[in-house]
Amino acid sequence: EAQVTQNPRYLITVTGKKLTVTCSQNMNHEYMSWYRQDPGLGLRQIYYSMNVEVTDKGDVPEGYKVSRKEKRNFPLILESPSPNQTSLYFCASSVSGTLYEQYFGPGTRLTVT
Amino acid sequence: AQSVSQHNHHVILSEAASLELGCNYSYGGTVNLFWYVQYPGQHLQLLLKYFSGDPLVKGIKGFEAEFIKSKFSFNLRKPSVQWSDTAEYFCAVILPGDKLIFGTGTRLQVFP
Repeated sequence: EAQVTQNPRYLITVTGKKLTVTCSQNMNHEYMSWYRQDPGLGLRQIYYSMNVEVTDKGDVPEGYKVSRKEKRNFPLILESPSPNQTSLYFCASSVSGTLYEQYFGPGTRLTVT
Repeated sequence: AQSVSQHNHHVILSEAASLELGCNYSYGGTVNLFWYVQYPGQHLQLLLKYFSGDPLVKGIKGFEAEFIKSKFSFNLRKPSVQWSDTAEYFCAVILPGDKLIFGTGTRLQVFP
């Protein structure tokens, strides 16, 4: 089944404790991205990747890192999480860029205390 | 700044009522437009898209949207909603630089 998977689905952590949210797609998509969803603000893009080893900042990249060492994986790294990063995070992928349908993962609900 | 606006934040309807959700964008050039839907507890999925051609676009589950260039709008419509249409709806636009921007979303509640 074609899908985007994220792990973990739920995470409660404390300020400053490094964490990684994994994202994997099995559709051989070139484009992958991360969004955060907050009430009243909709989805805002954190980082995106056009292909392996190519990443770029979205609208809200502060406090986040990403890497794209393999085509299928695009982990989101929070080196020192803070409470304002409490949010619902979505990974998405598409064949090639934003003109194509974005396939979203199930979401990761992160709470930073 | 270039943006996407969804003025209806929360819409409550009874089953069989007609639906129209507004979407306006602030860019004067050629745009590509999408509507995505997020059912409760689920991930976003594509409802429909407009790139060019007929400005009236039909999507899945009986939804349609009309692109009106002069009004910078791409409103989503459905003649008769069902309880299962309860969801959050996001308009999105691709801006120059291949930048995909989402609106803030409209929460639709349909009561039986």
